[in-house]
Amino acid sequence: EDQVTQSPEALRLQEGESSSLNCSYTVSGLRGLFWYRQDPGKGPEFLFTLYSAGEEKEKERLKATLTKKESFLHITAPKPEDSATYLCAVQEDNYGQNFVFGPGTRLSVLP
Amino acid sequence: DSGVTQTPKHLITATGQRVTLRCSPRSGDLSVYWYQQSLDQGLQFLIQYYNGEERAKGNILERFSAQQFPDLHSELNLSSLELGDSALYFCASGRGQGAKNIQYFGAGTRLSVL
Repeated sequence: EDQVTQSPEALRLQEGESSSLNCSYTVSGLRGLFWYRQDPGKGPEFLFTLYSAGEEKEKERLKATLTKKESFLHITAPKPEDSATYLCAVQEDNYGQNFVFGPGTRLSVLP
Repeated sequence: DSGVTQTPKHLITATGQRVTLRCSPRSGDLSVYWYQQSLDQGLQFLIQYYNGEERAKGNILERFSAQQFPDLHSELNLSSLELGDSALYFCASGRGQGAKNIQYFGAGTRLSVL
């Protein structure tokens, strides 16, 4: 059973066209949810961490929110440089220190 | 630049061989994590060390082993390599060891097994 799923698998947007990415999780006790951005052939780059339902974090055109079963990454007026794969990861009680990553959403922003 | 250094960037080797990947964590970080990323599997956690001691184990094969040295750098050893071991291997480091520990990733080592 998948513990972390992300949707859509791929998303193509026009520059300036806002949208949201979803991360759904089924874990027994969430310690933290983390968003990363990954460019092709590079390591994931940390964006946000959220710890409790209702929490929100913002950075430039990105805003992350958290509910009891999912998180959203909202992208407002995206630019081509926002094109990347966005990964979410959850850390839960039963898995000690390690993260469980979702499969990611590949975002393409066209000029 | 995350501050996590991985060497080498690329590694090409043959089946049956053994290789060592190296990771230097960010200054002040005590935890080191190793991940494997392949096209069909996504990012898979392998193992975590904290201040020289193993802390958590994921889907790490018996042919793979790791250690963290007193200077906190870490090495991942892969032996009896198979074609399916070809992947990107990432190291991440973090300040502590707990559940809220943010992990910062290196640029990775691309391993090609021919």
